[in-house]
Amino acid sequence: SQQGEEDPQALSIQEGENATMNCSYKTSINNLQWYRQNSGRGLVHLILIRSNEREKHSGRLRVTLDTSKKSSSLLITASRAADTASYFCATDARAGGTSYGKLTFGQGTILTVHP
Amino acid sequence: DGGITQSPKYLFRKEGQNVTLSCEQNLNHDAMYWYRQDPGQGLRLIYYSQIVNDFQKGDIAEGYSVSREKKESFPLTVTSAQKNPTAFYLCASSTRLASRSDTQYFGPGTRLTVL
Repeated sequence: SQQGEEDPQALSIQEGENATMNCSYKTSINNLQWYRQNSGRGLVHLILIRSNEREKHSGRLRVTLDTSKKSSSLLITASRAADTASYFCATDARAGGTSYGKLTFGQGTILTVHP
Repeated sequence: DGGITQSPKYLFRKEGQNVTLSCEQNLNHDAMYWYRQDPGQGLRLIYYSQIVNDFQKGDIAEGYSVSREKKESFPLTVTSAQKNPTAFYLCASSTRLASRSDTQYFGPGTRLTVL
């Protein structure tokens, strides 16, 4: 079963609005990452947040992590039509230091930003 | 120009045939991964390799095989034993340095269709 579950499955907004996507997971993690995928393309890494961090920013992206609730959110502010893509969370749930970044991906949120 | 490449972009296979998908990286990464993505779904791990001449089964390895004879190459063979191989296949790589985040870098993908 998938470690990460994104919510909502699809999100449709107007340009300039903010987009919030949520991710829940089941087991303890070392870090949680967000990736973006344009239709028919590979994934691109957006941001990584470690288990001892609560919030992280990168440009128009803001990620929060609540380990007590086993959840994370990705906020895209002032969205643009070019932000239209699928967004995936991925968790690194290794217990020790030897699994070398094996990630488990959620099913993704499809974001559509209308001009 | 550093990166990870996959070929071919599109591949058609007749039932009963084995096909091999190519993945090459010049990022000097030790770890490489193969994922399968079905429409509207997240990524599922097929195989991964932490170092040359070593690889491990992922969550859905049945019907697939890999080799890791060179650091930069991690080809995936989809065998006739894979009952439903039509999917989008993504290759990724990452550094295994403990001081670095295990961000994965993805290739552009190969879309395999069984005729």
